[in-house]
This record gives sequence, C-alpha cells and structure tokens, in this order.
Amino acid sequence: DIQMTQSPSSLSASVGDRVTITCRASQTITRFLNWYQQKPGKAPKLLIYAASSLQSGVPSRFSGSGSGTDFTLTISSLQPEDFATYYCQQSYSLPNTFGQGTKLEIK
Amino acid sequence: QVHLQESGPGLVMPSETLSLTCTVSGGSINSYYWSWIRQPPGKGPEWIGYIYYSGSTDYNPSLKSRVTISVDTSKNQFSLKVNSVTPADTAVYYCARESSYFGSGSSFDYWGQGTLVTVSS
Repeated sequence: DIQMTQSPSSLSASVGDRVTITCRASQTITRFLNWYQQKPGKAPKLLIYAASSLQSGVPSRFSGSGSGTDFTLTISSLQPEDFATYYCQQSYSLPNTFGQGTKLEIK
Repeated sequence: QVHLQESGPGLVMPSETLSLTCTVSGGSINSYYWSWIRQPPGKGPEWIGYIYYSGSTDYNPSLKSRVTISVDTSKNQFSLKVNSVTPADTAVYYCARESSYFGSGSSFDYWGQGTLVTVSS
C-alpha cells in the first residue's frame, strides 16, 4: 500500500493567515492526489482533485500543487469556516489511501 | 444534485455480520464506481472497496476476506457486508461516489452523511 504522510498533524492559525499543509507519498503517485476538508460530525468534502484542480463550488482561496511524491494544500487567507481537519488521498494505485489528517485550529 | 444515504443497524454483536445499504438519489447509479469508506473514531478514513454499476468489485486487501459489496441498479442502491466483526470494526461508515479523471485517477466527489456502527455485546 502507498503510505500518505501529512505535516503538520495540527496547526494553529488566525483568520486572514496564509496556511500550507504538506502531504508526502511513500512512492510516486504522479498527480493522482486529492484533498478533502472534514468538519466535526460531517463527511469529508472534496476540495482539490488531480493535485491542483479546484472542485466546483470550492472558494478560490484553496489551491493545490505538487507532483510525484510531494504535494501541498494552500489556503491563501483563512476564513472562520476553514477551521477543520484536512486529508490528502491518493488514487494512483489500489487500495486508495488517506493521510492521517491535519487539524487546523484557531489561534 | 446527487444525494447518498446510508442505512442499517447502528449496533452489531461481535462475530456477526455488519450490513449497510446506500441509496443514491438525484442521479443514476450507472456509469460510476461506488465506494464504502470507514473512519474509526479520531482516525483518518479507510477505503473498504468499490463496486462498478456492472457489478465488478475491488476490495482493500486488509479487509478482503470479510467484505462483500453488491449493487441493485433497479433500486439505485449498493450494499456492504462485513462478516466476523470485532470491536476494531467500530467506525463511521460512509458511502461515496468516485469520479474519474486523467483516465485512471479518481476522487470521491459525493458522500453520504455517514452512519456510526458500534460493535459491542
């Protein structure tokens, strides 16, 4: 299985901050990398697919980059509704695997 | 707007079979892959397996010996069975639609709300 490792595991930030979350794959996954946002008690929501494509309806302050083994999710200016847990997920090979998550908290 | 809804018992006894159904509305179950994903309390999601509307399946090797996913296109539903459950199978179980990109990549673009299944006597 391909292991997905996110860093940091948790992050404190303020409204208006620029935030970057990193995801590293244990082997190359080209650009088959997706990002999700999950709020407590809710299902994950797709934000970014194919490493950098913004899912329909997702605000443009979210962006993704990377290829191969290293990827980043950037939120350009944090809004109150962005405080949540973020997961990366690879679809390069089965089984699909997720990172352990990055919890974004209010400073 | 596609909507997915899980249904099934919230409590299962150890060694018995967990059974869940996902009903898809607002769109056809045809032409997509449909997955089950679970998330133990406080942990990240774990992909269980998928089924194509034609009936072809693939499962996570970690669960393959205990899992069966089936589809009923006439009812726009797909189902999950996990047998010989233990407390380690306690999790929120989600159904989700997979949409493909670049021919072989995919993402989970629609999810059910999730249902908590507790394995306990």
